[in-house]
Amino acid sequence: TQLLEQSPQFLSIQEGENLTVYCNSSSVFSSLQWYRQEPGEGPVLLVTVVTGGEVKKLKRLTFQFGDARKDSSLHITAAQPGDTGLYLCAGVDYKLSFGAGTTVTVRA
Amino acid sequence: DSGVTQTPKHLITATGQRVTLRCSPRSGDLSVYWYQQSLDQGLQFLIQYYNGEERAKGNILERFSAQQFPDLHSELNLSSLELGDSALYFCASSVVGGDTYTGELFFGEGSRLTVL
Repeated sequence: TQLLEQSPQFLSIQEGENLTVYCNSSSVFSSLQWYRQEPGEGPVLLVTVVTGGEVKKLKRLTFQFGDARKDSSLHITAAQPGDTGLYLCAGVDYKLSFGAGTTVTVRA
Repeated sequence: DSGVTQTPKHLITATGQRVTLRCSPRSGDLSVYWYQQSLDQGLQFLIQYYNGEERAKGNILERFSAQQFPDLHSELNLSSLELGDSALYFCASSVVGGDTYTGELFFGEGSRLTVL
């Protein structure tokens, strides 16, 4: 059973378009992390958000943590083929609990 | 390169067999985590070791066991294998202080297990 629900499951867009991935939970986490996983590799941390309402920017990626610390979103502006991958959110307590992920494909 | 090394990268075996997956954490990391990733279940936490001791247990089957050795490398043993055990098994390490995970997990490239 996934504590974290991610949507959509799959997303395919054209290069230059924007996209948003959502991560929702019924539980409150002390913090939430976003990872990206490429084929044949393990997940790599993109960002950690800690404070309710927090917004963090990483170049073209914008991460937001909900006020109640139960949900988060990842927005990519002007997506590029290099953004293709599996995006995973993970709730932090004594371990990481991962969502099922969103597979993003950016077509050139 | 995350600094976490997993072997073997690929493993094909038959039902009923036993396999051992090995993980070397990043230099200086005391915690090792094992995760199972399958298409229908996503990344599932199995177990965590901290400095040689079991710290947390997740959805790990009784047929599976793990340990962390004095040199901090870890092994995940999978026995009486079933078709449904086919998955990617990831090891991750982190610098953990006390009982609370607060930092980044560094993942290895995974061991792909296929049970025929």
